Parts: sequence; C-alpha cells; structure tokens
Amino acid sequence: NAGVTQTPKFQVLKTGQSMTLQCAQDMNHNSMYWYRQDPGMGLRLIYYSASEGTTDKGEVPNGYNVSRLNKREFSLRLESAAPSQTSVYFCASSEAHGTAFLGYTFGSGTRLTVV
Amino acid sequence: TQLLEQSPQFLSIQEGENLTVYCNSSSVFSSLQWYRQEPGEGPVLLVTVVTGGEVKKLKRLTFQFGDARKDSSLHITAAQPGDTGLYLCGVRAYSGAGSYQLTFGKGTKLSVIP
Repeated sequence: NAGVTQTPKFQVLKTGQSMTLQCAQDMNHNSMYWYRQDPGMGLRLIYYSASEGTTDKGEVPNGYNVSRLNKREFSLRLESAAPSQTSVYFCASSEAHGTAFLGYTFGSGTRLTVV
Repeated sequence: TQLLEQSPQFLSIQEGENLTVYCNSSSVFSSLQWYRQEPGEGPVLLVTVVTGGEVKKLKRLTFQFGDARKDSSLHITAAQPGDTGLYLCGVRAYSGAGSYQLTFGKGTKLSVIP
C-alpha cells in the first residue's frame, strides 16, 4: 500500500547514544516533515523539507539533525540522545496543488525511549 | 499561547450517545483539517473545510467551519467503539518554497464504551 514507512517502530537508547530514524514515502510528494508527540504537548514540528535538497527548522529543532537523501527519504538523527527526547516521532509527507492543500499522510511512528 | 484550542481534552461516553468536540482560535484561517489518531498509529486525515459556514458529513461525523473561519466543530452521532481515538484539528501556514506546515491543537481524546 502507498504511504509513509518509518523504521524502527520501537527503540531504547542510553543517554548519549546516537541513532537515525528513517522515513520513506512512495507518493511522489515534495514536502516531508518530522514531528514529535508528547502527552499534553500535542504534535510539534521538529524539521521539515519543502523539496529535495532543502531543509528547515521547525518549532523544536534543538538536539536533532535531518537529511533529505532524495525525494523519497527524509531521516532524523539524534547525535547524543537525552531523556527529554523520549517521545513518539512521526514522519509525514504532503503535496500542495495550487491553492488545494491535500493534507498530510503520516507514518505509524517510532516510539523512542532514552534511559 | 496555543494557536488552536481544542475542547474538551478528554471525553468518555457510552456507545450510542452523541457528542461534539471543538477547535477554537482567535486567528482566521483559509482552511482547517480534522485528523483521527488511533492508539499506536499516526493521524489520518478525515476532512478539510475551506469555506466559512461550510458543513461536511462523513457517515456519522459532521464537520462545521465557523462563519468567521476561526473555529470548527466535529459532531458524532450515535458513537461507536470504533470512533475511539484522538481527534486533532490542524491549520496550515505557508513556509515558503511551495511548502506548507501544519500546526495542530492538542487534541480531544475520545473513549466510547461498549
């Protein structure tokens, strides 16, 4: 089925370890996003990529880096994980045609625990 | 200050009851979207409303965009356990280079008890 695929689904890290969350979409969307979801805080944008070759910071970028590897793939890297980065991470993609915004397609999430 | 305020935060009802959840703001929006997120999954788009006063129906779900395009409501008739989930409203902002970002409310967590 077409959509957004995230790997891994679950991960436990020790403080200070690094890891990369992978995201791939097969809908030929130009824009891709990384959000984190925390209880009581809702979905907050970490980074986004308007198109291949561009990335920009969102609301909560500190402690993260991203790479738009090609049109399909957008990865999120934690260089030195901290307990405050324990969260559920969602990747999403979207396409806009003129004034018609077609909404986001989300992946199923990566549940990350930093101990 | 939260751009979008959703209420109530939590709602627990019996199967068959009706309910309404709200998404409010002091800002005017060109469009607003509703998503439903089931436990362990990502949000899924339900509807986009664009015109002030617009009403859209999706089976037992009725969505309304306020006349001033500052608020929206979601009404569910005869709720079923399958309606359980987190309901999120989101509005988009143009961030340049043809890209739009969505800003979300914190959501209403609905539990429908059989």
